[in-house]
Amino acid sequence: TQLLEQSPQFLSIQEGENLTVYCNSSSVFSSLQWYRQEPGEGPVLLVTVVTGGEVKKLKRLTFQFGDARKDSSLHITAAQPGDTGLYLCAGEERSSNTGKLIFGQGTTLQVKP
Amino acid sequence: NAGVMQNPRHLVRRRGQEARLRCSPMKGHSHVYWYRQLPEEGLKFMVYLQKENIIDESGMPKERFSAEFPKEGPSILRIQQVVRGDSAAYFCASSPPVGRAVNEQYFGPGTRLTVT
Repeated sequence: TQLLEQSPQFLSIQEGENLTVYCNSSSVFSSLQWYRQEPGEGPVLLVTVVTGGEVKKLKRLTFQFGDARKDSSLHITAAQPGDTGLYLCAGEERSSNTGKLIFGQGTTLQVKP
Repeated sequence: NAGVMQNPRHLVRRRGQEARLRCSPMKGHSHVYWYRQLPEEGLKFMVYLQKENIIDESGMPKERFSAEFPKEGPSILRIQQVVRGDSAAYFCASSPPVGRAVNEQYFGPGTRLTVT
């Protein structure tokens, strides 16, 4: 069974602080996606990274795909209370030809005002 | 959630009843995926369908669960003779047709199934 390990599982910080969430695996992924999920709702796609070493920025969020395409990170600068939520990474295995996504367990982020 | 529709949003069934969950993909999307999210767990892949075809059902329980995506109408995930352990949030996702460079999946709001 392929696994994506996310860390930390829970993170509680003050508004204005920076944070990094990690997503690691022993498998190689053809692409990796980051989602954010609010309680009672479905995951919302934030970004997709495809190329090893790729860096993408979305306002205060910076996403990086590892050179070997086995890991990824999400860095949030100057976190806001509106960033509170569950962050999920999901990878499409390179060996898969069906496109199914393998999800990490998620990181629950709480940003206090 | 980018136009993927799921209904009902909440479904309560007694043990032994049947549950039918519906999913209408985003306009222009022909690939549908079903995932299950158990309490305190991550999303787990169940099945991948295209119109009138099941492509990958490796995540589906062997018994009581079935899925279809007919030529017309929504995709249906059917659970027969539900048990308490089926209580979970069921999410549908859709993606564009074959030929895409990256498989970006867009999720619906989910159906929360409670078995009493």
